[in-house]
Amino acid sequence: QVQLQESGPGLVKPSETLSLSCTVSGGSVSRGSHYWSWIRQPPGRGLEWIGFIYYGGGADYNPSLKSRVTIAADTSKNQVFLNLTSVTAADTAVYYCARDGGYCSGDSCFPTYFDHWGQGLLVTVSS
Amino acid sequence: DIVMIQSPDSLAVSLGERATIKCKSSQSVLYDSNNKNYLAWYQQKPGLPPKLLIYWASTRESGVPDRFSGSGSGTDFTLTISSLQAEDVAVYFCHQYYSSPDSFGQGTKLQIK
Repeated sequence: QVQLQESGPGLVKPSETLSLSCTVSGGSVSRGSHYWSWIRQPPGRGLEWIGFIYYGGGADYNPSLKSRVTIAADTSKNQVFLNLTSVTAADTAVYYCARDGGYCSGDSCFPTYFDHWGQGLLVTVSS
Repeated sequence: DIVMIQSPDSLAVSLGERATIKCKSSQSVLYDSNNKNYLAWYQQKPGLPPKLLIYWASTRESGVPDRFSGSGSGTDFTLTISSLQAEDVAVYFCHQYYSSPDSFGQGTKLQIK
């Protein structure tokens, strides 16, 4: 059974960088058709897709955050990372990492729905 | 970007009755080459992450009770709970993965009447 666990600071100061880790167990971030996403949810609000990384190191980001976001992976530790720079109060949210099951047709694979989620980590941006 | 709009924002249904939640996308999420609708539904209970219920618009995730069903195609989709149980109280989200960036509906809060 795949499990994901987010970790990192729960409080970040405005203008600083938010850095989170997601440790994956029961599956590998470096194999298969899976994509590894970060999604956030401001308190009491809806879900916003931040971006993903996939095997081979490719990544895609939400254009609304693209200038501030980097997603990376450490395959030796089976971890996925999120960096979000120049944070403001608007970045206060629960941050989830999620596995995307992926869909392959022939030699091509595509991102799809999120079939496994971490428990989420509340990050508050405040001085 | 594709905008997802759910209706209603909140819904109260009696136990044992049917609950219906709608989701409309600003453009079609049906991929003609494989005839699949790139649409999923999630259930989120307080303090927990979303849980996948339905993908490809109508395929139920393993372990999801069969009272949950998804239907629709193109731009209009429906999540139906055939006989509401107390444990179904939650917020429900639709999600399109047809094109980047992925986007979600604003959520529908389902309560017991």
